[in-house]
Amino acid sequence: DIQMTQSPSSVSASVGDRVTITCRASQGISSWLAWYQQKPGKAPKLLIYAASSLQSGVPSRFSGSGSGTDFTLTISSLQPEDFATYYCQQANSFPALTFGGGTKVEIK
Amino acid sequence: EVQLVQSGAEVKKPGESLKISCKGSGYSFTSYWIGWVRQMPGKGLEWMGIIYPGDSDTRYSPSFQGQVTISADKSISTAYLQWSSLKASDTAMYYCARLYSSSSSRIIDYWGQGTLVTVSS
Repeated sequence: DIQMTQSPSSVSASVGDRVTITCRASQGISSWLAWYQQKPGKAPKLLIYAASSLQSGVPSRFSGSGSGTDFTLTISSLQPEDFATYYCQQANSFPALTFGGGTKVEIK
Repeated sequence: EVQLVQSGAEVKKPGESLKISCKGSGYSFTSYWIGWVRQMPGKGLEWMGIIYPGDSDTRYSPSFQGQVTISADKSISTAYLQWSSLKASDTAMYYCARLYSSSSSRIIDYWGQGTLVTVSS
């Protein structure tokens, strides 16, 4: 099984801050990496797919990078609606998927 | 419009059986994988398993193999997740999700609204 490790598990930030979340795969997954945002009581929402492709309708302040085993989600200027939990997910072993442990972005 | 509509919240006792459902509409149900995701209270997302309704090909995460059964009835565009004997530790929100695959992306593009399962004596 491919394991996905996210860091940090939580981050405190202010509106306007740049936030970076990392995700590491236990083995190479090429660019088969997606990022999701989840708000309390809601289903997750797709932000980024194929490591760096922005899902339609997602603000351009979100960006993704990386390939192989190391990946990054960046929020360039944090907005109030961005306070949420973020998950990476590998799809190299599709249709078997794996999620990272999540990163909670909290208000500083 | 693509929709995945899940069955309602359940409250069960340990040892009881349960089957929850996920009905797809607005797309060809037999042409996309449907997966199930567990989220325990205050915890992260866990991939449980997946089914391809077109031929009922089913795969389980090793953590959930033997613990649950995933099935689908393509005649009514519905996928199921079932337990034969619930435990308190099965208390969680369960999401169904549609997987989309192409040459450039493999993603969960639609989610159900979630079914809360509470197991308590």
